[in-house]
Amino acid sequence: QSALTQPASVSGSPGQSITISCTGTSSDIGRYNYVSWYQQHPGKAPKLMIYDVTNRPSGVSNRFSGSKSGNTASLTISGLQAEDEADYYCSSYTSSPSVIFGGGTKLTVL
Amino acid sequence: EVQLLESGGGLLQPGGSLRLSCAASGFTFSTYALSWVRQAPGKGLEWVSSISGSGGSTYYADSVKGRFTISRDNSKSTLYLQMNSLTAEDTAVYYCAKGPGKYVVYHLDVWGQGTTVTVSS
Repeated sequence: QSALTQPASVSGSPGQSITISCTGTSSDIGRYNYVSWYQQHPGKAPKLMIYDVTNRPSGVSNRFSGSKSGNTASLTISGLQAEDEADYYCSSYTSSPSVIFGGGTKLTVL
Repeated sequence: EVQLLESGGGLLQPGGSLRLSCAASGFTFSTYALSWVRQAPGKGLEWVSSISGSGGSTYYADSVKGRFTISRDNSKSTLYLQMNSLTAEDTAVYYCAKGPGKYVVYHLDVWGQGTTVTVSS
């Protein structure tokens, strides 16, 4: 199964909002409300930021939000801060059962 | 505090075998499904395998099916990944990660720090 499709890079200035898209198929994102997003800083383990499309784990800033429409999910980060600069990966549950990841998006805070 | 600590990585030749371990603490180990996820150098995340809380159900990515075996010892709160017939394409940082429930991994809410596996002649 092919990876979910994410833009390779996005950028924004401090205080701005950015959105990262994640496109799958009717077998993963389109079928299940089990989309999650992970933040990964260089040399560090991934960190869960959003789960079940829109939910934030305890301790994650409310500047991070998720949504889904059809086969495409999105992560929006508002009020960009320097520490948001990282790689972001989307993921979806699939019927196998298994988990599929996107290729990752590098966020640059200008 | 919930923690996962991987070990067992190393440098080995193509065709070799290796067993990774992941020691867990801070939660009731047997009540959560667990997964292995890998990341090749400079690449993205790739799900490798998952196992239910009891260990009775296991799932594998096509890329490792037949070569890797996931298992767990709930009495030791430890997850394992036995890797056989390794190739250069298996070179990666291997993370263990915890799912939110007992049976199926819908997302991964806690990750270990990773252990590096390098396959090279």
